[in-house]
Amino acid sequence: EADIYQTPRYLVIGTGKKITLECSQTMGHDKMYWYQQDPGMELHLIHYSYGVNSTEKGDLSSESTVSRIRTEHFPLTLESARPSHTSQYLCASSAGTSGGAGEQYFGPGTRLTVT
Amino acid sequence: AQSVTQLDSHVSVSEGTPVLLRCNYSSSYSPSLFWYVQHPNKGLQLLLKYTSAATLVKGINGFEAEFKKSETSFHLTKPSAHMSDAAEYFCVFTGGFKTIFGAGTRLFVKA
Repeated sequence: EADIYQTPRYLVIGTGKKITLECSQTMGHDKMYWYQQDPGMELHLIHYSYGVNSTEKGDLSSESTVSRIRTEHFPLTLESARPSHTSQYLCASSAGTSGGAGEQYFGPGTRLTVT
Repeated sequence: AQSVTQLDSHVSVSEGTPVLLRCNYSSSYSPSLFWYVQHPNKGLQLLLKYTSAATLVKGINGFEAEFKKSETSFHLTKPSAHMSDAAEYFCVFTGGFKTIFGAGTRLFVKA
């Protein structure tokens, strides 16, 4: 069982609210990732981090932001939620020694609904 | 450019029959390849991985995959499907500082 946690698991929130999706891992992995996945669709990388104070945007443009102040913690924030942000957000981490190589361990996901 | 193609969006099999989920990749780098499974409302779980060792890789729950460089394929198989195998399966490529997910194949298992 992978030691990566996401909270909340489900969130329903109104338009315009600020939200933060939490992701923590206890494996000491340097690399962490956020993916967005619409129902029945593929995963799209929206943010990643190769270590503390390192954050990069992924392949899919996102209005969210991330921070990496501690190795184990990689929160994602939406300053003003909109219905178009309704999706599932998956956090992952890996101990790959170079680039993206290495298996990723996934959290259970946060299913966000913006009304 | 690197890419991953899962050739079937849906596969339907009867319980007890073989499973074949197809994945092709394109890359000029030596790839690492993975298969993940996602059950409804759950995160992704690693089934197996290929990282340039043995070309036939055995994973959990009776799944295995064979890396065929000449065919640029990494198809996932299982000799006998179980109802609990019904899920979404993702083929994933990493190489050259990129991680690319396939679009997914939904496996249906009929009783």
